[in-house]
Amino acid sequence: DGGITQSPKYLFRKEGQNVTLSCEQNLNHDAMYWYRQDPGQGLRLIYYSQIVNDFQKGDIAEGYSVSREKKESFPLTVTSAQKNPTAFYLCASSISGQGISNYGYTFGSGTRLTVV
Amino acid sequence: DQQVKQNSPSLSVQEGRISILNCDYTNSMFDYFLWYKKYPAEGPTFLISISSIKDKNEDGRFTVFLNKSAKHLSLHIVPSQPGDSAVYFCAAAGAPGANNLFFGTGTRLTVIP
Repeated sequence: DGGITQSPKYLFRKEGQNVTLSCEQNLNHDAMYWYRQDPGQGLRLIYYSQIVNDFQKGDIAEGYSVSREKKESFPLTVTSAQKNPTAFYLCASSISGQGISNYGYTFGSGTRLTVV
Repeated sequence: DQQVKQNSPSLSVQEGRISILNCDYTNSMFDYFLWYKKYPAEGPTFLISISSIKDKNEDGRFTVFLNKSAKHLSLHIVPSQPGDSAVYFCAAAGAPGANNLFFGTGTRLTVIP
């Protein structure tokens, strides 16, 4: 079955450590996105990528980094520079960054990151 | 600056009654609107959408209404069922230069049996 897989589901990080969240899709979608969800704040865009080897910052990119070496994969690294990383992280994809009006997003099941 | 707003963080409705979830937006260039449903610890799933050329779209128990002049849309669920209890996000697309969805803050719907 086609879909988006995020791993791990739960992740604990010590302060000062970098961690990488995985996102893989087999939907043959061109565009991929990372969102962060905090209580009462909805979904905020961190980074997005419309094609391989290209990505753009979203509204809250500081303290995060991404790569898009393969169409299927869009990993997110939460660096030690992110001051408040504890949150629920959602990866999404769409057929095309230009055509989201027609199809919207398909979301993964999310990763809950907790800093301990 | 929040371009899509859901001003009611929560809503409780009796089973069998109508649930009405509201959403307002500020960018008149948005041309497509979507509703997503989210259960705890899961990703949102697409529920229903509407293009700006329409004012109503219906899919089973779910109907979305769009009032472009008021920059307002609403999701009606009739009849409401306990399984509808979830957080509902409104999203908008089509802003020039933006190839992503803009989400509201969500409304938690609780359907009481």
